[in-house]
Amino acid sequence: NAGVTQTPKFQVLKTGQSMTLQCAQDMNHNSMYWYRQDPGMGLRLIYYSASEGTTDKGEVPNGYNVSRLNKREFSLRLESAAPSQTSVYFCASSDSGANVLTFGAGSRLTVL
Amino acid sequence: DQQVKQNSPSLSVQEGRISILNCDYTNSMFDYFLWYKKYPAEGPTFLISISSIKDKNEDGRFTVFLNKSAKHLSLHIVPSQPGDSAVYFCAAKGREGGSNYKLTFGKGTLLTVNP
Repeated sequence: NAGVTQTPKFQVLKTGQSMTLQCAQDMNHNSMYWYRQDPGMGLRLIYYSASEGTTDKGEVPNGYNVSRLNKREFSLRLESAAPSQTSVYFCASSDSGANVLTFGAGSRLTVL
Repeated sequence: DQQVKQNSPSLSVQEGRISILNCDYTNSMFDYFLWYKKYPAEGPTFLISISSIKDKNEDGRFTVFLNKSAKHLSLHIVPSQPGDSAVYFCAAKGREGGSNYKLTFGKGTLLTVNP
């Protein structure tokens, strides 16, 4: 049982480049989330998708876009990367209204 | 404004002793609280939770206490083991319009258990 799978695990970008972080879950969860973790800042919600076909902004959505491709997959796109987006990104999923999120292993992104 | 606060960035304890990690919150609409544990290069994993209708929840060596009047919760680990060394995140959940629930995390506390 893979749980939540994120790709890539590591990525280095130059300022202005674009990229997409992929996330897939195999637990038949309805809700999916993207968080970023920065030193001394904890985990901050970027975007979430309560169910297939819906997406909503979280705490820090600027500079990002998301796509809920289907029930399993939720991608995060950086259209024009900035050094401030250097971070570790975590995807998570949960049942609707459930209290516990299951996280992926993370994607470490460095923007030069 | 930070709604979930973990004021101790780090904590060091001896193996076998008690570890107490603290968390304060400001939003009275929070009704469910969780603790997550995170090892380096891994995602956070769920550890233990408590509903606002309770004041204590126990799971093996881990106990979470909730003081609603003080808006404070704590995680007790007894006895502490070297494998407990990790970052611990406090998280809170409450309804924010509609039926969507989102977790708000604290900044985390790095626990080091020394052999």
